Parts: sequence; C-alpha cells; structure tokens
Amino acid sequence: DAKTTQPPSMDCAEGRAANLPCNHSTISGNEYVYWYRQIHSQGPQYIIHGLKNNETNEMASLIITEDRKSSTLILPHATLRDTAVYYCIVRASGGSNYKLTFGKGTLLTVNP
Amino acid sequence: SQTIHQWPATLVQPVGSPLSLECTVEGTSNPNLYWYRQAAGRGLQLLFYSVGIGQISSEVPQNLSASRPQDRQFILSSKKLLLSDSGFYLCAWDPSTLAGGPFRNIQYFGAGTRLSVL
Repeated sequence: DAKTTQPPSMDCAEGRAANLPCNHSTISGNEYVYWYRQIHSQGPQYIIHGLKNNETNEMASLIITEDRKSSTLILPHATLRDTAVYYCIVRASGGSNYKLTFGKGTLLTVNP
Repeated sequence: SQTIHQWPATLVQPVGSPLSLECTVEGTSNPNLYWYRQAAGRGLQLLFYSVGIGQISSEVPQNLSASRPQDRQFILSSKKLLLSDSGFYLCAWDPSTLAGGPFRNIQYFGAGTRLSVL
C-alpha cells in the first residue's frame, strides 16, 4: 500500500468547510483512496473512497488531483460532532491483503 | 442492516489474569473479521483476522490469541495478561463476498473495549 502523509492537526470554525489534505505521491494505478475518521473513544468510521474521479456522499466530498498524488476530504459544513482524527488510507481493491494500515491521521478540531 | 456488537465496553484486569473479549456480527454471512488494538496515543494495530470459521491469521506475535467458533463470532483471548496488553480493542468486519472490489476495503468497527491491566 502506498504511504500517505497528513498534517497532524487542523482547526475549523463551526459551519465552515473543513478541507483535509492527504499526500500519496507513490500511489499505484489500482489503488483507491479511502477516508475514515475516529471520534474520541469510538471505533473508526468509514467516510468515503475514490479512485480518480471526485466523489460525494452524505458525509463528505473527496477531491483527487488529476495525477492522483494527493487528495482532499471536504466536510462542507463542519459541526462540533465532526471533531475527530481523520485517516487517509491508500489500498488496492481486493486481493489477499486484508490489512488496513491506519497512520497517525489528522486531528480536526471544530471550534464554536 | 448489519450490526456489530462488542463487549464489554470497559474492563479492568489484574496482571496474570485471563481475558476473553467477544464480538458478534448480525445481518451478514461469512464476513471477514478483525481484531485491532490501539494503545494510548497510538495508531491502530491489526492483531488477527479471520476469513472463515476456524481460520485465524496473526499479524503480530504476542500474548493474545483469537478464535472463530461460529461464522459471526470472533473471540480474543489471553491466558495471562501483561501490563503491555492495556489498550483499546476493536473488532471489525467487512463483506468477503465482495472480494476483488473496492468495497472490500470498507471495514465496519465495533464500539471497542477499553482494557486496563493493573
């Protein structure tokens, strides 16, 4: 799995968009970008994933650059409940590798 | 819909005592099952995974063992706990029927068990 780099922490004002960056310069053609988050003292929660096209669901949007070397997770209207550690993970689909590697992620703090 | 249950939520155990944590999944068949541990201030570490009944793969050699006696039941055990076993233990599953597709990498986590070994 390709290595990812994320800032250790970010702040965002409540109601504003939160833009969380992730660098994955060694990503391979068959690897997807996944985002999870972990609210304090809870298990991680899947947010969204994408290959090369931008994706949107009820939780967030994922913007992947054309060269696929970086991506941005966007929470359009951050709330206090979005305060969590956000993990960017790059993995190929399927195969026999069952291991999800969670790095240190980005601690997003949403302030009132 | 699928749900994952993990218990107990918190546990305080003395060093040298045994451990048994249980995880069950409802609403799906033949899931892949996982045990992770998160030490204080650290990332998630995969401990064991299982692709079927009786099939256990260990990622890290340690004081713990896992078993899968039923399709949707995953148990984490230890005969004698160490201080270093303290941490937040998480069970997770993903749909093995989607092997080969990107959705196979979407894992669903339980609420976790916070274990303190004293």
